Amino acid sequence: DTAVSQTPKYLVTQMGNDKSIKCEQNLGHDTMYWYKQDSKKFLKIMFSYNNKELIINETVPNRFSPKSPDKAHLNLHINSLELGDSAVYFCASSQDAGSSEQYFGPGTRLTVT
Amino acid sequence: AQTVTQSQPEMSVQEAETVTLSCTYDTSESNYYLFWYKQPPSRQMILVIRQEAYKQQNATENRFSVNFQKAAKSFSLKISDSQLGDTAMYFCAFMKLNSGNTPLVFGKGTRLSVIA
Repeated sequence: DTAVSQTPKYLVTQMGNDKSIKCEQNLGHDTMYWYKQDSKKFLKIMFSYNNKELIINETVPNRFSPKSPDKAHLNLHINSLELGDSAVYFCASSQDAGSSEQYFGPGTRLTVT
Repeated sequence: AQTVTQSQPEMSVQEAETVTLSCTYDTSESNYYLFWYKQPPSRQMILVIRQEAYKQQNATENRFSVNFQKAAKSFSLKISDSQLGDTAMYFCAFMKLNSGNTPLVFGKGTRLSVIA
């Protein structure tokens, strides 16, 4: 069983489109995260949810909107996609917001053309 | 704000040899964790080793060990008996402890190539 899963794993789309990436964890964790890995491999936090509530929102354009329908899911919706949004997006989860170990999903490679 | 610096963008090592990857960090926190993550070509993020800052003893996991120097804010990773499967990007990461708001802060990574 996959602990943290993301769909899709690859996403190719055109500028201006709206797309969503889904994340699910079956670990019973309370906290979920979205990280972005850019073309130079740099990883940076975007958002964090704890018990369906947003607790971290880094300086991310408001075209990015996370949504957590329940503790096991944290989806990322992106409006009006731009070339610079091309990256690998990782979902992760941890037992709670103070837990030391985060479990990562396989990543979603988004390519905007 | 915390920062993590990995000064070696790329390294290579012969199979079966030992290699050390460097990491320094900057923080005013006294309680935190440090991590090394491995990202092979499959892009999966794999936790290699973790160190609690309050522990003086260096963490070890099989062929992987760290040299944690808290005063110098240094956290290097030593890989012994390097194997071809160790070829990957390696990321050093920092996490505050008990803040209720604990994302990982990553360095820019070191690309390690193990050569047969």
